[in-house]
This record gives sequence, structure tokens and C-alpha cells, in this order.
Amino acid sequence: DIQMTQSPSSLSASVGDRVTITCQASQDISNYLNWYQQKPGKAPKLLIYDASNLETGVPSRFSGSGSGTDFTFTISSLQPEDIATYYCQQYDNLPPLYTFGQGTKLEIK
Amino acid sequence: QVQLVQSGAEVKKPGASVKVSCKASGYTFTSYGISWVRQAPGQGLEWMGWISAYNGNTNYAQKLQGRVTMTTDTSTSTAYMELRSLRSDDTAVYYCARGTIFGTSSRFDYWGQGTLVTVSS
Repeated sequence: DIQMTQSPSSLSASVGDRVTITCQASQDISNYLNWYQQKPGKAPKLLIYDASNLETGVPSRFSGSGSGTDFTFTISSLQPEDIATYYCQQYDNLPPLYTFGQGTKLEIK
Repeated sequence: QVQLVQSGAEVKKPGASVKVSCKASGYTFTSYGISWVRQAPGQGLEWMGWISAYNGNTNYAQKLQGRVTMTTDTSTSTAYMELRSLRSDDTAVYYCARGTIFGTSSRFDYWGQGTLVTVSS
């Protein structure tokens, strides 16, 4: 099974800061990686799919990059409403199988 | 608009079974799959399995094989997840999510509101 290692597990930053989260796969997964945001008590929300594609309606301060085994999720200018836990998700389609990273809890400094 | 509405909270005793429903609306149910994801208190997301609403094909997470069954009722656009032989560590919020697959691309673009299942004696 493919393992996903997400770091850091928690992060404290100030409003306006650039925030970066990384996700590393245990083997080459091409660009088969998504990023989700989960606010307390709410269902996760898709932000980025296929490593770098912004989901419709998601603010452009969110971005993703990477391929193969190393991926990065970036918030270019942190806003108060971005306080949440962020998860990467690897997928395979034959058959459909998904693995989440451990999550990164983002807090305001 | 796309909506996934799940059934209400459940309290079960160890060894019992639970069946959670997920009613879809706002899209053609049989054109997408449904995945189930759970989240234990204070923990991360765990994918449980997937079902095709088109043909009923399933793929379950290895650790739940033999205890979980996912089904759909296309007449009511509803997906179901049944988990048997419940243990205390099955206590979690259970989510359904629409799985969008285009070629090699796949993601969960809509989610249900979650159903809390508590397993306690």
C-alpha cells in the first residue's frame, strides 16, 4: 500500500503569511493527489485536485504543485477564515482506492 | 444543487451493526460513485470504501474487509454503508462523498454532513 507522509502536523502562522504544507508518497503517484480543507465540526472541502488544479469557487490564494512523490500545498497570504485542518489524499482508479495524509492543523499566531 | 443528506446519529452496543444512509440529489446518481470516509474523535480521515452507483461494483479498505458492506438503491438515489461487529474504536463520524472520476482523475467533490456513530456498552 502507498503511504502518505504529511508535514508538519501542526502549524502556527500570522495573517498575511505564506504557508506551505508538504505531502510525500512512498512511491511514484504521478499527479494523483488532492488537497482538502476541514473546519471544526464540518465535512472536508475539496480545494485542489490532480496536484495543481484549483476547484471551482476556491480562492486563488490556494495552490498546489508537485508530481511523483513530493507535493506542496501553499496559501499565499493566510486569512483568518483559513484556520482549519488540511489533508492530502492520494488516489488510484483501478480499482478506486484512496489514502489520506495525517493532516496539518493550521492555527493563527 | 448537488446535495448528500445522511441519516441521523446512532448509538450501538459492541457487536451490533449499523447502517448509515446517504441520499443524493441534484445530479444523475448513476453517473458517479460514492465513497465512505470516517473520522474518529480528534483523528484524521480514513477512507472506508467505494461503490459505483452505476453497476454496484465495490472496493473496500483492506482493514474493513468482511465487516463492511456498501450498497445503493438507484430508485431513491440513496447509498448505504453497513458496518458489522461494531467495536469501541468504530466510534466516529461517518461521511459519504461523491466520487468524481474523469479518466485517470478522481476526487471527492461533494460530501454529506456526517453521521456520528457511537459504540458503547
